[in-house]
This record gives sequence, C-alpha cells and structure tokens, in this order.
Amino acid sequence: DGGITQSPKYLFRKEGQNVTLSCEQNLNHDAMYWYRQDPGQGLRLIYYSQIVNDFQKGDIAEGYSVSREKKESFPLTVTSAQKNPTAFYLCASNIPGPYNEQFFGPGTRLTVL
Amino acid sequence: GESVGLHLPTLSVQEGDNSIINCAYSNSASDYFIWYKQESGKGPQFIIDIRSNMDKRQGQRVTVLLNKTVKHLSLQIAATQPGDSAVYFCAETPYGNNRLAFGKGNQVVVIP
Repeated sequence: DGGITQSPKYLFRKEGQNVTLSCEQNLNHDAMYWYRQDPGQGLRLIYYSQIVNDFQKGDIAEGYSVSREKKESFPLTVTSAQKNPTAFYLCASNIPGPYNEQFFGPGTRLTVL
Repeated sequence: GESVGLHLPTLSVQEGDNSIINCAYSNSASDYFIWYKQESGKGPQFIIDIRSNMDKRQGQRVTVLLNKTVKHLSLQIAATQPGDSAVYFCAETPYGNNRLAFGKGNQVVVIP
C-alpha cells in the first residue's frame, strides 16, 4: 500500500538535545512538507521541498533543519535552538501543482523534558 | 490522543442531523481550497476540494460551498455519524504555488 510513514509516533528528549524525526513516502511524490501543530492552532509550515536536494524555509523554520537526499525521505531535525519544541509534527507530500492536495502522515508527538 | 481540539470552536450535533462548518479565508487571490478531517492522534485526511471557478462541489455525504465575494468556505456533512467526530480544517493557496495555509480548525462532536 502507498502512503506516508512517520516514526516514531511518540518521542521524548531532554532539553538541549537535537532530535531527528523520520518521514518516508512511497507515493512517488516530488514535494514534501513538514508542519508543526499546537493545541488550538492550525498547521504551521516549517520547511518544504519541491525536488530532491532542494528545500525552502516555511513560516517557522528557526531552530529546525532538513535534508532531501532521496525522493522518498525528508527527515526533520529539531535542534536545541528551537525554544519550544514540544508539539505534534506532521509530514505531508504531493505532486507539485496548483490543484493537488497534500497527503499527510500519522504524525510524531515530540515531548521535550 | 492529541489535544489538537483544545480551545477550538466546537460544534455539537445530534447523530443523524446535518452539520455545517464554516471557514473564513484570508486571501482573495487563493484559487484552491481543501477541507481536511483530523481524528484524535492521527494526521489530517483529505475530504473534499474546490477550485475558485466553482461555488459548490459535492462528494459522498459532504458538500463544500465557496463564496468568493465574502471569502467564505463551508463544509456541510449530511446525516452526521459518530465517526464524523473530529477536527475539521480548511486550507487555501494564498501563495500561488504549492503551499497551503491552514485555518485553526473546528471541533465537531457527534452526540449519539
């Protein structure tokens, strides 16, 4: 079955540690996205990538980094510079184009202690 | 499950009744709109979309209405079922490219 996988579902880290969240898709989509979701707020875009080896900052990129070495994978690193990293992180992908919906993974809940 | 529904506008609806969820969007240049459903602890799922050259589109038990004059989008769910309990988000494309901007969401609670 085609889809997007994110792992792990729950992640706990100590303050000051970097942590990498995994996102893999087998939908053959060129574009991939990372969003952050906090209670009572809509999804906010962290980074996105339209093609392999290229990515752009979204609205809240500070304290995060990404790489796009393979079409299928778009890992997100939450660095110690991110002041409030505890959140629900969602990865999405789609075929680039103006009328193509984004497909979402199941999310990773990151808690920084 | 995830606490995404906290502090959101909540619609409580009796099972079998129709639900209407509203969304005001921000950019008159947006030309594509999507409704997503998010159940507790899961990622958003696509429900239905509409382009700006239309004012109504129907799916299975759902209808989306678009009023570009007042920048308003609504989602109607017919014969609401317990499985419809979720947070519903609208999304628009204000950037003229592949990026989406999401609304804050509306919590729907179905009363059996």
